[in-house]
Amino acid sequence: DAKTTQPNSMESNEEEPVHLPCNHSTISGTDYIHWYRQLPSQGPEYVIHGLTSNVNNRMASLAIAEDRKSSTLILHRATLRDAAVYYCIPRNSGNTPLVFGKGTRLSVIA
Amino acid sequence: DGGITQSPKYLFRKEGQNVTLSCEQNLNHDAMYWYRQDPGQGLRLIYYSQIVNDFQKGDIAEGYSVSREKKESFPLTVTSAQKNPTAFYLCASSRQGITEAFFGQGTRLTVV
Repeated sequence: DAKTTQPNSMESNEEEPVHLPCNHSTISGTDYIHWYRQLPSQGPEYVIHGLTSNVNNRMASLAIAEDRKSSTLILHRATLRDAAVYYCIPRNSGNTPLVFGKGTRLSVIA
Repeated sequence: DGGITQSPKYLFRKEGQNVTLSCEQNLNHDAMYWYRQDPGQGLRLIYYSQIVNDFQKGDIAEGYSVSREKKESFPLTVTSAQKNPTAFYLCASSRQGITEAFFGQGTRLTVV
């Protein structure tokens, strides 16, 4: 499994953009980069995933470096409901288990 | 509504007793997973199943057992051999291909 490095914690003001970085320098060429988040006392929820190109959905954007050794999850306008632990997870097929690191705990300040 | 259901939400057991946690999904997903989460930590994989009647051990399978007799169900038994069973247990499912996994709301098990 590819090793990931994420900041332990980050803080953002409400309605400001947030950039959550992830380093995955040992990622293989077939690994997709998945992001999940976990709100307090809940199960994780899917946020976004991508392979090489930048991806957008209603929740967030994912920017992937050209060498694929890092990626950044972008929340365009943080809200209090975005306070959660965010996990970056390389994954090479749909049925292989997700391998979770410790993630980044995002705090949003009103 | 489609989804993945874990029950109960909270569970208390005495030390030395086996306990079974329920996980049911109506998403028609082939793969199901069990994770354990301790306070302030990430999720750790206990067992997973990619097809009915087949399952594989994860990183921390000792003291746990599972069965997969039906596609919809993947119960986890925490046996008395598990030394530190108190934790938050999460079940997930996914279908074939590079798709999202869906998680249940978890069962918080406390052994006293």
